[in-house]
Amino acid sequence: DQQVKQNSPSLSVQEGRISILNCDYTNSMFDYFLWYKKYPAEGPTFLISISSIKDKNEDGRFTVFLNKSAKHLSLHIVPSQPGDSAVYFCAASASGGYQKVTFGTGTKLQVIP
Amino acid sequence: SAVISQKPSRDICQRGTSLTIQCQVDSQVTMMFWYRQQPGQSLTLIATANQGSEATYESGFVIDKFPISRPNLTFSTLTVSNMSPEDSSIYLCSVGWGNGYTFGSGTRLTVV
Repeated sequence: DQQVKQNSPSLSVQEGRISILNCDYTNSMFDYFLWYKKYPAEGPTFLISISSIKDKNEDGRFTVFLNKSAKHLSLHIVPSQPGDSAVYFCAASASGGYQKVTFGTGTKLQVIP
Repeated sequence: SAVISQKPSRDICQRGTSLTIQCQVDSQVTMMFWYRQQPGQSLTLIATANQGSEATYESGFVIDKFPISRPNLTFSTLTVSNMSPEDSSIYLCSVGWGNGYTFGSGTRLTVV
């Protein structure tokens, strides 16, 4: 049972344009969401998070949007850069300290120069 | 953020043998998490390790196969026991830090 789903295994975007990565979840207990970037041969790197009490969080070029009613979140990268090319994982957990995190299957983003 | 040193970075092992993976954190943390990423798949939590108590294993993972030690607040080991080719994966440790979780660089294990 995949509780966190990223339905697009890959995405190609031109440099300078917007990248939109989508994620859906099924578990209503999830109330904290994270995005990670992963390069080959490296561990995941934390990008941005959002709590269920918010519907938007921004950090530089990265913005995460949360639609609780639809159980959907998205990561926007603007403008996209070639260095953003990596696999992006959506993840979710329940609040209350550090809890186990459930990861999506990942979306491989390619930013074309 | 916390920095995690994970060793080894990769290894090729014979089936039936065991491999111990180490994670050293530069700060004291209460909980450490161990994940597995099988080829082409997502990260799956193996177990949560608290210092001074038995690790808590997720469904499908057992202590005999993946024994974990947590001798202090900065260190943990995961052993992959009696390995088979199906254990070929990337293994990662993680700690909660700030607004997220920090990961080690991973151990790429190939069982032949």
